Amino acid sequence: EPEVTQTPSHQVTQMGQEVILRCVPISNHLYFYWYRQILGQKVEFLVSFYNNEISEKSEIFDDQFSVERPDGSNFTLKIRSTKLEDSAMYFCASSVPAGGLRHTDTQYFGPGTRLTVL
Amino acid sequence: RKEVEQDPGPFNVPEGATVAFNCTYSNSASQSFFWYRQDCRKEPKLLMSVYSSGNEDGRFTAQLNRASQYISLLIRDSKLSDSATYLCVVAMTTDSWGKLQFGAGTQVVVTP
Repeated sequence: EPEVTQTPSHQVTQMGQEVILRCVPISNHLYFYWYRQILGQKVEFLVSFYNNEISEKSEIFDDQFSVERPDGSNFTLKIRSTKLEDSAMYFCASSVPAGGLRHTDTQYFGPGTRLTVL
Repeated sequence: RKEVEQDPGPFNVPEGATVAFNCTYSNSASQSFFWYRQDCRKEPKLLMSVYSSGNEDGRFTAQLNRASQYISLLIRDSKLSDSATYLCVVAMTTDSWGKLQFGAGTQVVVTP
């Protein structure tokens, strides 16, 4: 079964450093997402991406965050200057296969990258 | 008011028993509803979509009450492997391309 993959599984960084989290969505999917989950809290939407542009973003997704699809397979989340409160699990997700049924209700999540900011 | 609210539990359930729990959502314009399952420190995985008429998938039954804005999940004949956190998820879109709004989850612990 195809799956979303994410690297690295765990990233430790110093406050103020830039980090790039990488995702490979399911190959024929069209929509891509980043969510985050702070330890002990709910999963929160960050951003959605379609047709090489952001389609929606949350208030969490400020100027320190950016997303990119640099090639046909990778989808990245960059945090320019990390803060302590950015420590969380970051999940990438993808959905809607090209030519798929309209009511394809599934967003498939990757295993996550645990970001620890010291 | 939280957009999606759930009883955090834990619900301690003997193996073989039935457990049910609800979630409420605040936005009456919500269109799509799901139950996801999350194991400790793992990614959310779709358990089932929830349809207006209610739907069943094996031992799992989901119901939607749009008038009262709540969704329920019932697990019959609980297995040890059902121990997890169950996430109530709501979307504003009728398809899978919209952002998902997650509840904080209901923890279920199935005991031998």
